[in-house]
Amino acid sequence: QSALTQPASVSGSPGQSVTISCTGTSSDVGGYNFVSWYQQRPGKAPKLIVYDVSNRPSGVSDRFSGSKSGNTASLTISGLQAEDEADYYCSSYRTTNTRVFGGGTKLTVL
Amino acid sequence: QVQLVESGGGVVQPGRSLRLSCAASGFTFRTYGMHWVRQAPGKGLEWVAVISYDGRDKYYGDSVKGRFTISRDNSKNTLYLQMDSLRPEDTAVYYCAKDAVAVTGELDYWGQGTLVTVSS
Repeated sequence: QSALTQPASVSGSPGQSVTISCTGTSSDVGGYNFVSWYQQRPGKAPKLIVYDVSNRPSGVSDRFSGSKSGNTASLTISGLQAEDEADYYCSSYRTTNTRVFGGGTKLTVL
Repeated sequence: QVQLVESGGGVVQPGRSLRLSCAASGFTFRTYGMHWVRQAPGKGLEWVAVISYDGRDKYYGDSVKGRFTISRDNSKNTLYLQMDSLRPEDTAVYYCAKDAVAVTGELDYWGQGTLVTVSS
């Protein structure tokens, strides 16, 4: 099971926007609208921030937004804040009821 | 509020077995699918397995298929992961997570994890 492809790291200054990509195949990202994104701070459990490509759970800032085009999903964080510094993982439902995660992206707020 | 508390982790020799538990509260456990996800030290997340709300359907990641078994006891609100034939590469923090729907939804709540170390 190959993981989804994410950039290892991204960075941005406070107030800027950054986008994290997540590339899969037609068997996962491209085939279903079941892409979710998770934020993980050091030593903590992952936290759901986007589901079904572009929906946000209650309580998650609207600075987080998701989208998808073909086999690539994206997470955009606007108005960067210091507290956004964390690891971000995408995940997709995959054919045969399995799941796959991306390799993770470390976001640094400069 | 939703709470998921994993237990059962520890140090185990290669080839041996270990069973993890995840005690759930704050939601109607018997109506949701549940997952196990692991994270090796300093590495990313890896999906391990999912079980349907009634325990009838189970699916596994390729790296654990045939060695790990996911199960649940809805009368005890508890999820399990039986891990057999353990290998050093199974060393990781193991998280249980609730599916928002059945087995195809997002993982909307996670436990804090339990560390499994496979070493001689």
